[in-house]
Amino acid sequence: QVQLVQSGAEVKKPGASVKVSCKASGYTFTGYHMHWVRQAPGQGLEWMGWINPNSGVTNYAQKFQGRVSMTRDTSISTVYLELSRLRSDDTAVFYCAKGRIVARRSYFDNWGQGTLVTVSS
Amino acid sequence: DIQMTQSPSTLSASVGDRVTITCRASQSISSWLAWYQQKPGKAPKLLIYKASSLESGVPSRFSGSGSGTEFTLTVSSLQPDDFATYYCQQYDSYVTFGQGTKVEIK
Repeated sequence: QVQLVQSGAEVKKPGASVKVSCKASGYTFTGYHMHWVRQAPGQGLEWMGWINPNSGVTNYAQKFQGRVSMTRDTSISTVYLELSRLRSDDTAVFYCAKGRIVARRSYFDNWGQGTLVTVSS
Repeated sequence: DIQMTQSPSTLSASVGDRVTITCRASQSISSWLAWYQQKPGKAPKLLIYKASSLESGVPSRFSGSGSGTEFTLTVSSLQPDDFATYYCQQYDSYVTFGQGTKVEIK
């Protein structure tokens, strides 16, 4: 069965960077885009972008461009999200989500368990 | 950017009720719409894709309909496990989520 296992909670100071990992198993890692979605405390879901694990090509939401980087290591079926210049309003749970692509469009059929990133001085 | 608006924000219902949640897109998205269920402290779970296709393993009491700009998620007979927050998501152009609808016990 598909499993997406994320790294543990992080506490960071404003201005720092954070790197969250998502290890995939149970399917062909390079066959499906991986997306990242964040959720601030008590708030809704916000899409951040995707990475094609096969090619490494990325596509970021405009809001995060310049501050976000998504990478992958195919040898260990893991994708990474790095967010820099953290602010207090970046405090959120970050989810990786496996994309199911139809006609170059994606919805999400499997999700990681989430990683809480707290930004606080 | 395509904006998604869900209504209501909160819905109070009883076990056995038929409940309907509406999602409106700011422009036509054809049928490129998914619905998710999220419980507190858990990741979202896919229920419906392409507006009306039921994801494998999801109970048949869940159904979706609509196209263009107006969509609905219906639960035909609400069960105790269904009290949760529901999100719509468009995937016609990039990805946008609705703000969520919390279904609570009446």
